[in-house]
Amino acid sequence: AQSVAQPEDQVNVAEGNPLTVKCTYSVSGNPYLFWYVQYPNRGLQFLLKYITGDNLVKGSYGFEAEFNKSQTSFHLKKPSALVSDSALYFCAVRDITTSGTYKYIFGTGTRLKVLA
Amino acid sequence: EAGVAQSPRYKIIEKRQSVAFWCNPISGHATLYWYQQILGQGPKLLIQFQNNGVVDDSQLPKDRFSAERLKGVDSTLKIQPAKLEDSAVYLCASSLLPGTGTHQPQHFGDGTRLSIL
Repeated sequence: AQSVAQPEDQVNVAEGNPLTVKCTYSVSGNPYLFWYVQYPNRGLQFLLKYITGDNLVKGSYGFEAEFNKSQTSFHLKKPSALVSDSALYFCAVRDITTSGTYKYIFGTGTRLKVLA
Repeated sequence: EAGVAQSPRYKIIEKRQSVAFWCNPISGHATLYWYQQILGQGPKLLIQFQNNGVVDDSQLPKDRFSAERLKGVDSTLKIQPAKLEDSAVYLCASSLLPGTGTHQPQHFGDGTRLSIL
């Protein structure tokens, strides 16, 4: 079965500094990977995806993610963090249902705290 | 476009009572998902519909949870009877059907926070 792991429960970074939120994956076949963000008392919002192609994927709000096949990683990055980026971030992988359609497996989440 | 609507936002019940949640997906979205998000964990898929058919309910505790999606639009998720471990946020999401080689992102509602006393 497909899975993702987010090794850090929380990441703290100073405003203006670059940030990285880590994700590693375990899949059979080609990986389809995603990042979502969740603000307090809200649902998840899609940030970006990796399906195929360039290893550096650009997404919403200035975020990008780097796909690394040899390290089975898909880390989320941003060159300059904002206080408003403080939220819960989820990595996800696409899996196949018993009916042959797609479903998504989410990691446990990483809380990002950007300090002013 | 209007987002995914969920109600109620909050619900408090005692164990062994029943509860129902409602979801109205984005217009035209054929795929609808119900997730359970326990505090400190990622969302766990409970059930996935494509139009009004179930395509995955492998993690739905069928002895107490049920869901339906009549006419392929709105959906309700029910718990009867509730247990303490059901305390969680229940998220509904919807997406367009994926085209060949494409990914359609999921759009999430703000969830229903369920507390079991």
